[in-house]
Amino acid sequence: KNEVEQSPQNLTAQEGEFITINCSYSVGISALHWLQQHPGGGIVSLFMLSSGKKKHGRLIATINIQEKHSSLHITASHPRDSAVYICAVRNNAGNMLTFGGGTRLMVKP
Amino acid sequence: DSGVTQTPKHLITATGQRVTLRCSPRSGDLSVYWYQQSLDQGLQFLIHYYNGEERAKGNILERFSAQQFPDLHSELNLSSLELGDSALYFCASSVDPAGYGYTFGSGTRLTVV
Repeated sequence: KNEVEQSPQNLTAQEGEFITINCSYSVGISALHWLQQHPGGGIVSLFMLSSGKKKHGRLIATINIQEKHSSLHITASHPRDSAVYICAVRNNAGNMLTFGGGTRLMVKP
Repeated sequence: DSGVTQTPKHLITATGQRVTLRCSPRSGDLSVYWYQQSLDQGLQFLIHYYNGEERAKGNILERFSAQQFPDLHSELNLSSLELGDSALYFCASSVDPAGYGYTFGSGTRLTVV
């Protein structure tokens, strides 16, 4: 079993829909990252969380440390949100990331 | 522009060859991390340097080595290249070893033929 599991693997939504991507992990962590990778390949760090909830524009990330679970929500989705979203956990020493397999999101107009 | 510079952007080389990938961290960042993204294995951590010292090693092959120089740029050396080494290699940097202010470079796409 992978240390970091994401669901779903693939997601297709209509423009305007509310989207949720889930991440579960099985190891102790110091923080959790949500990353976005566009088709061109570049990776952008969206959030780093160690507790609670963070919001940036239409993106919201939450984490429940006790349940070892995090969610990324996208409100009012738009075709430009189409990308691969990757969850990554930082180990307790803080010096490496372990990645989930990614969620490929396509938002149709 | 994230502030993390990786060169070259693309590299095509033959099996058995050696290549060097370069990463310049964001100004002020002391930590550099290297990651490999292949189609079959996803993103994997290779190695972490902080202020010139190796801090952590992940799934890095013995044919691969890295270093961080006094000016904080880092190089990842890949030798005796195999077809399976074809991948995107990302560098990331952060201010401190705990990873705050984590920023990725745009990657180097290595194709081994």
